[in-house]
Amino acid sequence: DGGITQSPKYLFRKEGQNVTLSCEQNLNHDAMYWYRQDPGQGLRLIYYSQIVNDFQKGDIAEGYSVSREKKESFPLTVTSAQKNPTAFYLCASSLGLGNNSPLHFGNGTRLTVT
Amino acid sequence: GQQVMQIPQYQHVQEGEDFTTYCNSSTTLSNIQWYKQRPGGHPVFLIQLVKSGEVKKQKRLTFQFGEAKKNSSLHITATQTTDVGTYFCAYGSSNTGKLIFGQGTTLQVKP
Repeated sequence: DGGITQSPKYLFRKEGQNVTLSCEQNLNHDAMYWYRQDPGQGLRLIYYSQIVNDFQKGDIAEGYSVSREKKESFPLTVTSAQKNPTAFYLCASSLGLGNNSPLHFGNGTRLTVT
Repeated sequence: GQQVMQIPQYQHVQEGEDFTTYCNSSTTLSNIQWYKQRPGGHPVFLIQLVKSGEVKKQKRLTFQFGEAKKNSSLHITATQTTDVGTYFCAYGSSNTGKLIFGQGTTLQVKP
């Protein structure tokens, strides 16, 4: 079955540590996205990538970094510079960037930083 | 800039009652998508509306896109406990094409 896999489901880190969240898709989608979800704030876009080796900042990119070395993979690093990293992180993909392409989401990673 | 407001933020209904959530924009939208997120889950695509005045149905769910393409609604007839979750509208930015989500409406259904 095609889909998006995010790992791990739960992640705990100490403040000051960088942490990388994994996202892999086998849907052959060109575009991939990272969203952050906080209670009562909906989904906010962190980074997105239209194609391999290219990515763009979203609305809340500060304190995060990404890479897109392979079409299937779009890992997100939450750096120690991110002031409030505890959140639910959702990875998504679509056929292409554009408002006619529905997003397919992974199951998410719940990150807790103490 | 372009943005949408989704109302209400929360809705509690008795099982069997109807439910409606609204997505209102200050500018014309090229299209709109609707997603459902179950508690503890991830958003799942429900439908996309493109045409002015478009109405689409999925079983007990009815989706509408306004004539001016500035608002949209999702109506659920005779809610069931399986309808519990958060419903998001989303639209494509006219500048970048990326999808922007509304704040969501969280539906609770009492059995």
